[in-house]
Amino acid sequence: TQLLEQSPQFLSIQEGENLTVYCNSSSVFSSLQWYRQEPGEGPVLLVTVVTGGEVKKLKRLTFQFGDARKDSSLHITAAQPGDTGLYLCAGERGGGGNKLTFGTGTQLKVEL
Amino acid sequence: GAVVSQHPSRVICKSGTSVKIECRSLDFQATTMFWYRQFPKQSLMLMATSNEGSKATYEQGVEKDKFLINHASLTLSTLTVTSAHPEDSSFYICSATGTSGRETQYFGPGTRLLVL
Repeated sequence: TQLLEQSPQFLSIQEGENLTVYCNSSSVFSSLQWYRQEPGEGPVLLVTVVTGGEVKKLKRLTFQFGDARKDSSLHITAAQPGDTGLYLCAGERGGGGNKLTFGTGTQLKVEL
Repeated sequence: GAVVSQHPSRVICKSGTSVKIECRSLDFQATTMFWYRQFPKQSLMLMATSNEGSKATYEQGVEKDKFLINHASLTLSTLTVTSAHPEDSSFYICSATGTSGRETQYFGPGTRLLVL
């Protein structure tokens, strides 16, 4: 059972455009992380959000955790070809153990 | 940041053979290591959680006798795919957390397994 649904599944845009990726669940998470993964490599952590309503910014990337801690969004401003990759959200349910449930993934391609 | 390595990075084997994949934490002690499997164009699916010195905990649907996990030290966990078949071909990724119990998972670079 995939607990975290991401949308869109695929996104192809031109350089300079803005985009938003959504990560939704019916479950509450104690924290939520966003990763970017490139082909043939492991995922790289971008950010961790832990408080409902929290907003974190990382250069052109803005991450938001929903008030109820069931959903999150990633907004990229002025996308660049270097942003191309698979974006994954992952939630931790709490209760110890650090187990992560990964979202379904969003494949982003930014073209010149 | 913390570094996790995997070996080999890619392996090709014949159907019916066993393959061992190593996951090492290079600059920290990893109490817990996780093993994931990722099929092409899909997300990561947790296979098992490995704690040093104890038996691994497998996720529902993962055969523990087929995917043998050993976590004999605080810096090394191994995943052995026994009697591999073409459907086991996948990208296997490990991650590791430190000894505090509430730390970030650090991911390895993955191992590409192709079973012919």
